[in-house]
Amino acid sequence: AQSVSQHNHHVILSEAASLELGCNYSYGGTVNLFWYVQYPGQHLQLLLKYFSGDPLVKGIKGFEAEFIKSKFSFNLRKPSVQWSDTAEYFCAVYNQGGKLIFGQGTELSVKP
Amino acid sequence: GAGVSQSPSNKVTEKGKDVELRCDPISGHTALYWYRQSLGQGLEFLIYFQGNSAPDKSGLPSDRFSAERTGGSVSTLTIQRTQQEDSAVYLCASSLDLRVGNTEAFFGQGTRLTVV
Repeated sequence: AQSVSQHNHHVILSEAASLELGCNYSYGGTVNLFWYVQYPGQHLQLLLKYFSGDPLVKGIKGFEAEFIKSKFSFNLRKPSVQWSDTAEYFCAVYNQGGKLIFGQGTELSVKP
Repeated sequence: GAGVSQSPSNKVTEKGKDVELRCDPISGHTALYWYRQSLGQGLEFLIYFQGNSAPDKSGLPSDRFSAERTGGSVSTLTIQRTQQEDSAVYLCASSLDLRVGNTEAFFGQGTRLTVV
C-alpha cells in the first residue's frame, strides 16, 4: 500500500538555523508531491508542490524541496528559519489512482 | 463560498450516539477527501470522492463509518455508535482533478469531535 514517511516527529531549531525535513514515499508509479503547513490554530495550507519538470521546486516563505526519484524522496529545506515558521509540516503524495496520502507530520519549533 | 466549509466546527457527543459531519467543498471541485487528525498520528486518509463516487473506501476505520456525496458537491461523514477512540479532528479537502492539472487540495478548518 502507498505510504509516506516523515523521519522527524519534532524538530527544535534556533532562529537563522537551516532546516531540512525528510520525506520518503512508497509508490512506484507517477506521483505528484506536496508539502503543506499548519500554523497553530489554522487550517492546512500549501507550501509547495511538484508535478513535473525541474525537480527543485520553490514555494512560499523561502521554502524549497527537491524531488529525487531514485530515492523516492521529497525533502523540504529552508536556509534560515524564523520564529514564525513554528508550525507542523506535512508531506503528501498523490498517485494517479486518486488517493492523496499524508505523512505523520513534523512539528517544528523555532526558538527566538 | 470562497473556501472549504465544514460544520459543525466542534461537536461533543455521548458514546453510542451517531454523528454527522458536513463538508461544503469549493464550487466546481470534483475531488473531495476526508481525513482524521489525531495527536501524533498525522492525517489518516479515510475516503475520497471523484464526483459522487468513492472509488476507494479502504481507509474507513470500521463499518461504523460511512460517507456520501450528493450532486457532486456537499459531503457528509457519518459515524454510528460513536466510541471514545473516534475523538479527533475530521478534515475535509477539495480539489480539481489532480490527475489532469497542476493544482492542489484546499482544506477546511475541520470538525473537532469529542466523544464523552
